[in-house]
This record gives sequence, C-alpha cells and structure tokens, in this order.
Amino acid sequence: RKEVEQDPGPFNVPEGATVAFNCTYSNSASQSFFWYRQDCRKEPKLLMSVYSSGNEDGRFTAQLNRASQYISLLIRDSKLSDSATYLCAVNKVNRDDKIIFGKGTRLHILP
Amino acid sequence: EAQVTQNPRYLITVTGKKLTVTCSQNMNHEYMSWYRQDPGLGLRQIYYSMNVEVTDKGDVPEGYKVSRKEKRNFPLILESPSPNQTSLYFCASNPGPGLAGYEQYFGPGTRLTVT
Repeated sequence: RKEVEQDPGPFNVPEGATVAFNCTYSNSASQSFFWYRQDCRKEPKLLMSVYSSGNEDGRFTAQLNRASQYISLLIRDSKLSDSATYLCAVNKVNRDDKIIFGKGTRLHILP
Repeated sequence: EAQVTQNPRYLITVTGKKLTVTCSQNMNHEYMSWYRQDPGLGLRQIYYSMNVEVTDKGDVPEGYKVSRKEKRNFPLILESPSPNQTSLYFCASNPGPGLAGYEQYFGPGTRLTVT
C-alpha cells in the first residue's frame, strides 16, 4: 500500500455542486494531516489542517477517519475558482519526521 | 510578509554547468525542504534540514547537494546538471516538531531546464 494515495481524477463538476474526494494513508500512527491546493505551475498552498476528527472553513470541510485511515475534503457550492489540484499530506511517523504528499486530485469546475 | 523566496524562478542551462538555486524564509522556521515535481510523479523530496548544519536525504537526493549554514537559507546545488534534472523545484519551510509544526509553506518554484 502506498504511504499516501489519492484518486488522480480529473473530477469534472458543475458549478454549485458539492464534491468530495478522499486520501488514504498507510501509517496508523500519523497524527497530522493536511490539504493543499495547487494551481497549475504554482506552489502548493495550505488549505486546511486536520488534527482531530475534522475541520471546517466556510465551504470547505475536512474530515479524518482513523479507523479506515483516510481523510476527506468536501467542497460545497463549488465555484469556478475552485478548479485546481488538491494535494493531501500526512506526517511520516518514524525517525525521518517529515511530510509525505499524495500525487493530487485534479478538480475542474464546469460553468 | 511571511514568505519563502526562491531564485531564480526560471533557468535554462546546459549539461554539466554547476548551478545553485537559493531559498530563503523569514518565518524563523526550523525545518526546510527541497522538492521536485514532475508530471505523474507528484512532489518528491530531495533533501531536508531540521536545523542549522543538520541535513538529510529525502527520496531522490542523487545529483543534488544542500547546505544549511544559516537558519533562514537553504540553497540547492546541482554540481553537474543532467537533462533528467529538468523539473519544477520547490523550496518549503515548516516550524518544526508538533502537530502544526508540519504545516509547510512553499516558495514560488524554480522551473529548471537542462539541455
């Protein structure tokens, strides 16, 4: 099983719809989870952090399911400007003490 | 403004010509990292540093060197660049240990082409 895995998409979603995608992780001891947004050829930017069961920020909700080892990102009332690639990241629990990124899920919001 | 800066942003060079990409952060972060991003392969860590004079290899360190002489700077050195090092490079920093300590802040990226 890969350390951090995401469906690459693309997800093509009409404007105004709700979209959700998941990210699975392999290390049950991981404690820190993140969602980043990356626009084409730009740097990833931190969207949300998840340390307990979940986090909500406006139209965005991130949830953590420790039993099944995945985090999810839900976007409500999607906007054209939400079109981007969404990367999840998980801390690697061993001597390395670093973050592992998934390859990202591409989201296209259609007018 | 809290930020990570990288220079140059774009670089076209020839095989074998040594180059350095600079990275600087003004957030007093302990940790700094270098990543490369290639289509279909995602972000791959090249090197990281947990403090001044402390560096360690990431997943793809071959062909790269780094140094951390000061807390704010973490340059990436390609001693003898080759075409397979053509990529988009990101520098990142994060505060350090602890839950929020893993929140990474990225520089704007350096697009390197080696011919």
